[in-house]
Amino acid sequence: RKEVEQDPGPFNVPEGATVAFNCTYSNSASQSFFWYRQDCRKEPKLLMSVYSSGNEDGRFTAQLNRASQYISLLIRDSKLSDSATYLCVVNIDTGTASKLTFGTGTRLQVTL
Amino acid sequence: GAVVSQHPSWVICKSGTSVKIECRSLDFQATTMFWYRQFPKQSLMLMATSNEGSKATYEQGVEKDKFLINHASLTLSTLTVTSAHPEDSSFYICSAFPPSSGHYNEQFFGPGTRLTVL
Repeated sequence: RKEVEQDPGPFNVPEGATVAFNCTYSNSASQSFFWYRQDCRKEPKLLMSVYSSGNEDGRFTAQLNRASQYISLLIRDSKLSDSATYLCVVNIDTGTASKLTFGTGTRLQVTL
Repeated sequence: GAVVSQHPSWVICKSGTSVKIECRSLDFQATTMFWYRQFPKQSLMLMATSNEGSKATYEQGVEKDKFLINHASLTLSTLTVTSAHPEDSSFYICSAFPPSSGHYNEQFFGPGTRLTVL
C-alpha cells in the first residue's frame, strides 16, 4: 500500500465548477499535512497547510480527518489557472528533520 | 518567501559521464536540504537528506555511491550522479526549510533540474 494515495484523475471540470480531491495516508505517525500544486515540468509549490480544524484560503478549503487518515481539498469557482496537478503531502518528523511524503497527485483540467 | 535555486536547470549528457547538480538557499541558511527525484507521471520520491557538515542520509534503495551528496556549507548542497545511465534520466528537485521555522513549516523547493542521459 502506498504511503499517500490519491486518485490520479484527470478531473475535467468547466470553469466555475466546484471540485473536490481526496487523499488517504497510511502512517498514523504523520504529523502535518499539506496540499501542493505542481504545474507541468515545474517544482511543487505550497498551496496550503491542512489543520485538524479545517481551514480555508479564498476559494480553497482543506479538511483533515485523523481518525480516518483522510485529507481533502475543495476548490470552489474553478478558474482556468487552477489547471495543475495537486499533490497531497504528509510530514513525519524523524526527530532531526521533517520528511515529506508525496502522493502521486491528482490532475485537474479546468475548461471553458 | 525563502528562495532556493538549482543549477543547471537542464542537462543532457552521454551515458557513463557524471553530472553535478547544485542546490542553493539564497536568503537563508539550511543545515538540512532534501533531494527528490520525479519520473514522468509519478510522485516526488525522496532520495536523500543532505546534512551540513556530516554524511547524507539515503532512503532505502538509493545507491549512495552512485548519488554522491556534499553539503559543504549552510547554503549549498550538491548532488553528483556518477556514471549516469539512461534510466537515471529524471527531474531532480531539491528543497530546504529555514531551520528557525521549526520542523513542520513549509519546505521551499528549487526549480528542479531535468537530466537526460543519452
